[in-house]
Amino acid sequence: GENVEQHPSTLSVQEGDSAVIKCTYSDSASNYFPWYKQELGKGPQLIIDIRSNVGEKKDQRIAVTLNKTAKHFSLHITETQPEDSAVYFCAASTPNDYKLSFGAGTTVTVRA
Amino acid sequence: DTGVSQDPRHKITKRGQNVTFRCDPISEHNRLYWYRQTLGQGPEFLTYFQNEAQLEKSRLLSDRFSAERPKGSFSTLEIQRTEQGDSAMYLCASSPAGAIGELFFGEGSRLTVL
Repeated sequence: GENVEQHPSTLSVQEGDSAVIKCTYSDSASNYFPWYKQELGKGPQLIIDIRSNVGEKKDQRIAVTLNKTAKHFSLHITETQPEDSAVYFCAASTPNDYKLSFGAGTTVTVRA
Repeated sequence: DTGVSQDPRHKITKRGQNVTFRCDPISEHNRLYWYRQTLGQGPEFLTYFQNEAQLEKSRLLSDRFSAERPKGSFSTLEIQRTEQGDSAMYLCASSPAGAIGELFFGEGSRLTVL
């Protein structure tokens, strides 16, 4: 099955700086790559996703890039704010597969 | 609130007891998923339903685990003869039909086995 690896496991940034989280996947057939944010005591919530026919997608301060050749994708958060502090998970899914395989998560702390 | 709801939110039990969790998905969603999450890890897939049919089960789902979605609406996850290793957050998610897209997660049911 699909194996997703995520780095770093923890990330501390100064408010206003950028944060970058990277993920690699094993199955070259994977074609859907979402990112979820999980706050303490809550379930994961989708923040952005990208499909394999697109190389980059942006939504305000959040962007995701995909490199299919290298089988990796990244989340970029610009102008970080304290409310960005949370655990972020990347995930991947293959065609005709209706489940997601998640990375181990990155704990992001934004220092005021 | 029309999101995914899970009950109970917390369950403490003794080893060897049976526990059951319930999930009510978003009403128009025909896919329902169960995931398990342990501390410091990402959600791990357990099983999913399309309407009332259980279409896939992970190898993580041992014989002590059973999930049902009898009328294609709510779902239950039962763990029999609980072990300390079953302690985790059990997350339910739902999604509409069609290509894989956003999974809407509930807030989870935290199980502690003493």
